[in-house]
Amino acid sequence: AQSVTQLGSHVSVSEGALVLLRCNYSSSVPPYLFWYVQYPNQGLQLLLKYTTGATLVKGINGFEAEFKKSETSFHLTKPSAHMSDAAEYFCAVRGGYAGNNRKLIWGLGTSLAVNP
Amino acid sequence: NAGVTQTPKFQVLKTGQSMTLQCAQDMNHNSMYWYRQDPGMGLRLIYYSASEGTTDKGEVPNGYNVSRLNKREFSLRLESAAPSQTSVYFCAGETRQGSYEQYFGPGTRLTVT
Repeated sequence: AQSVTQLGSHVSVSEGALVLLRCNYSSSVPPYLFWYVQYPNQGLQLLLKYTTGATLVKGINGFEAEFKKSETSFHLTKPSAHMSDAAEYFCAVRGGYAGNNRKLIWGLGTSLAVNP
Repeated sequence: NAGVTQTPKFQVLKTGQSMTLQCAQDMNHNSMYWYRQDPGMGLRLIYYSASEGTTDKGEVPNGYNVSRLNKREFSLRLESAAPSQTSVYFCAGETRQGSYEQYFGPGTRLTVT
């Protein structure tokens, strides 16, 4: 069965520092992987996704993630944190191809705090 | 385009009352989803609709019913609200068939007293 583990429910960084949010997955089918961001009192929005092809994917707001099949990881990074990056971040993997598996499997989320 | 809209934004119910959360999209999504979000538990799928006329249970369907009225609308009904249903509810649509990429509404914050 597919699953997603986000290491660290809370991460705190200083403004200008590297952001690294960790996501590991398990999947019985070639994974489609997603990172979503949720700002306070808002819905989720897609940051970036990996389906096939290039393993380093770039998203909005300077974020990127690298798909590493051997490590079953899809960690999210940003070279320099900004105060506006403070939000909840969710990693997700597709459940499967068809039927009841045609949905996303979600991690529990990582809350990112950015300190001035 | 309004995207995915949800009504109401906030609601307070008493235990045992019923209500329907409305979701509508103008993005031509085939598949639509209802989630609840609770602190420390991430997003949990309540029900989804792979296409117009079909609905299926997610991981936490008890106490809820859904209706896919047409391609645009996917409503969630609480027949007899319980305090355990206090949560933030999100509706989402899949942007393209088979993409697994979801576009979310702004949410409904429900409190059951």
